[in-house]
Amino acid sequence: EVHLVESGGGLVQPGRSLRLSCAASGFSFEDFAMHWVRQPPGKGLQWVAGISWTSRVVVYAESVKGRFTISRDNAEKSLYLEMSSLRPEDTAFYYCAKDIEGDPSSCLYDWGQGTLVTVSS
Amino acid sequence: QSVLTQPPSVSAAPGQQVTISCSGTSSNIGENYVSWYRQLPGTAPKLLIYDTYKRPSGIPDRFSASKSGTSATLVITGLQTGDEADFYCGTWDSGLRPGKVFGTGTKVTVL
Repeated sequence: EVHLVESGGGLVQPGRSLRLSCAASGFSFEDFAMHWVRQPPGKGLQWVAGISWTSRVVVYAESVKGRFTISRDNAEKSLYLEMSSLRPEDTAFYYCAKDIEGDPSSCLYDWGQGTLVTVSS
Repeated sequence: QSVLTQPPSVSAAPGQQVTISCSGTSSNIGENYVSWYRQLPGTAPKLLIYDTYKRPSGIPDRFSASKSGTSATLVITGLQTGDEADFYCGTWDSGLRPGKVFGTGTKVTVL
């Protein structure tokens, strides 16, 4: 059974940085692209970033490009999201999600339970 | 920002049918597979439909989906009280700013 467990969320001041982690188990992590998706409380889903199985393909939403960095460690079966220059509008639940393919595609097959990031002074 | 447009809400009585539309463009729905996600209150989203019409293991055939041109549709038949949730369509956008895009979301209410 696929398990994705996010960690690293919390309260952070505007302009500061935060690193999210996602621990994967139950599947061959190194074979699949991975994504981060966020959801502001009470609002809809927003895709944040995706990374291919080899890390060669990395794509970002325009709203986070230049501020967020997605990365992965296949040996550790872990996905990361380094967030800098955080803004109040980055406040959201952040979900780690497994793609259906090795390169970022249209389907997020499995999702973690999410971690809440609150950006406020 | 959501690129795909869905109705904010749909409703029907138990046992009835609801249809959720998802409108996009030629660069997203027009040339890529569509997926649908269900989000029960207070929980993470879960895949409902992938590759436009396929159901993951464990998803009943009461849920079906299709695509035509730049629009996609999710149909739920035999509506149950447990179906109350938010539903999102999603696909890949192959345009100038490639990336995954989601619909605005639709709240399904069982009357």
